This record gives sequence, structure tokens and C-alpha cells, in this order.
Amino acid sequence: QKEVEQDPGPLSVPEGAIVSLNCTYSNSAFQYFMWYRQYSRKGPELLMYTYSSGNKEDGRFTAQVDKSSKYISLFIRDSQPSDSATYLCAMSAHWTSGSARQLTFGSGTQLTVLP
Amino acid sequence: DADVTQTPRNRITKTGKRIMLECSQTKGHDRMYWYRQDPGLGLRLIYYSFDVKDINKGEISDGYSVSRQAQAKFSLSLESAIPNQTALYFCATSEQGSGANVLTFGAGSRLTVL
Repeated sequence: QKEVEQDPGPLSVPEGAIVSLNCTYSNSAFQYFMWYRQYSRKGPELLMYTYSSGNKEDGRFTAQVDKSSKYISLFIRDSQPSDSATYLCAMSAHWTSGSARQLTFGSGTQLTVLP
Repeated sequence: DADVTQTPRNRITKTGKRIMLECSQTKGHDRMYWYRQDPGLGLRLIYYSFDVKDINKGEISDGYSVSRQAQAKFSLSLESAIPNQTALYFCATSEQGSGANVLTFGAGSRLTVL
């Protein structure tokens, strides 16, 4: 079983829809939770990150972490065609040594927002 | 110019050939990484370096080697390429610190081994 599981999709929604992207994980030591966005033929870029449990909002994007369920989510409100990309979750443990901070990535969910 | 530059962007080679992928960065970050991305497997860490004198193996280092020529340069070599090394390779950097390890990625190098 992978440490981080992410539904690969593909996910296709109409413009303006609310999108929910999710990851589950098994390592209870994970404390930092990130979402990266990767456009076609580009490298991943950080979208948001949260520390420990709770919610974080940035414009149309909301990240949620439920450590008790080992489940994280990214919500996109009023989705736009420009949101079409692959979304990767990533997580790491708290700083104790260099290796502990290495990120473990989900496999990515491919999202298409149709105009 | 991009913060993290990878060359070449695309490369087709044959089994047994030696290949080098190069990475340079202008972020001033101490830490540099090489990942490979395969469909359904996500990003997997090959090697990482915390400074010029520090090189560490990642999850999938077999068949690869690296060289940290300077703070800003980190190259990945495949000594004898094989077809299952066909993948998209990413270089990344991050700052030294105790908080979240936020990576800045290059645009990727697509390698095909025939």
C-alpha cells in the first residue's frame, strides 16, 4: 500500500463547478500538507500548504486537513478553464532530520474544466 | 529566465548510452533534488543534496548518479541507460529551514530510452 493515495481521475467538470480533490495517507508522522499544481509540459508549482490540522483559504482555493481520518482535501470554487491541470498532494513529517522532511507525493489528479 | 533551468528538455537515446541531465538555479537555495515522474506513480526522489559536499540517495537511486558542481548546479547521470528509465525528470530546489519543505521545480527533462 502506498503511503499517500490519490485518485488519478481524470476529473472533468463544467466551468463554475466546485471541485473537490482528495488524498489519504497512512503515516501519522506527517505534519505538513501541500498541494502542487502542474500544467501540461511544466513543472509542479506550490499552490497551498497547511501545517497540522485545519483549513486554509486562498482566493477560490481551500485546503482542509483531517489528521484523525488521515485525509486531506483541496476545494476549488467557481472553477475556471485555467484551473485545468494535474493536482498533486504532498506531505512530510516535522523537522527532525533531512530525510524526515522529504516530501511524499500522491500520484496526481488530472482535472479538466470545460468552458 | 526561469529560477530552475533544466537541460536538455527532451532527449531520445539508446539502451547502454550514458546520459547527463543538467540543472542550474538562481534561487540561491542550498538544497537541490532530482525526481522522476511516471504515470500513476507520481514523483519519486532519486537523489538530493543539502550543500556541495552533501549528497544523499533517495527512494530510487539505483542506476543513477549525481554531481553537485556548485551551489547552483546539480547534474543527474545515467551511466548506462535502460528503457525503464524512460520518464520525465525534474530538478527542484528548496531553502534550508525547519518549516515546510517547499520545492521549486524546473520545467522537466523528458527522457526516452529506446
